[in-house]
Amino acid sequence: EVQLVESGGGLVQPGGSLRLSCAASGFTFSTFWMHWVRQAPGKGLVWVSRINSDGSSTIYADSVKGRFTISRDNAKNTLYLQMNSLRAEDTAVYYCARETIAAAGIGLDYWGQGTLVTVSS
Amino acid sequence: SYELTQPPSVSVSPGQTASITCSGDKLGDKYAFWYQQKPGQSPVLVIYQDTKRPSGIPERFSGSNSGNTATLTISGTQAIDEADYYCQAWDSSMIFGGGTKLTVL
Repeated sequence: EVQLVESGGGLVQPGGSLRLSCAASGFTFSTFWMHWVRQAPGKGLVWVSRINSDGSSTIYADSVKGRFTISRDNAKNTLYLQMNSLRAEDTAVYYCARETIAAAGIGLDYWGQGTLVTVSS
Repeated sequence: SYELTQPPSVSVSPGQTASITCSGDKLGDKYAFWYQQKPGQSPVLVIYQDTKRPSGIPERFSGSNSGNTATLTISGTQAIDEADYYCQAWDSSMIFGGGTKLTVL
């Protein structure tokens, strides 16, 4: 069974930093591209970042570019999101998600339960 | 930047057919995906590659994508289908529609 379990969320002051983790199991993590998606309270889904299977290629939404860094440790089956210079508008539930296989187009077939990040003084 | 537009809400009577649209420039040239999200839960993929259902998704869920519009259709809608639905496509980055709240009443 595919499982994605996020951790690391919490309350942080504006300008602060936080690192989210996503522990993957039930599939060969090292062969899948991975994403982070966020959802502000009461709002819709917003894509944050994508990383390829070996970690050598990453892309970001404009709203987080230069502040967030996605990475992975395939030996530990873990995806990360380092978030710096946090702003109030970064407050959201952050989901990690697995990308569909290449032939199926670029979508997300499994999602974690999410971890809440609150940026407030 | 690319945008996907969904109606904020759709209502349907139990047993009837619900259609949720997603509009974007030449969306038919891209693959459309649909996600269901119930309150307090994570999104679940219900349609991928325009028309395909993942394992475990009921046959009453179907999709189409042509021109500028992708459509999620739920036939014989049940109360358990009440949820928010999001369309998604890829255009140099991942784009989500604003979401549609489906009410079954």
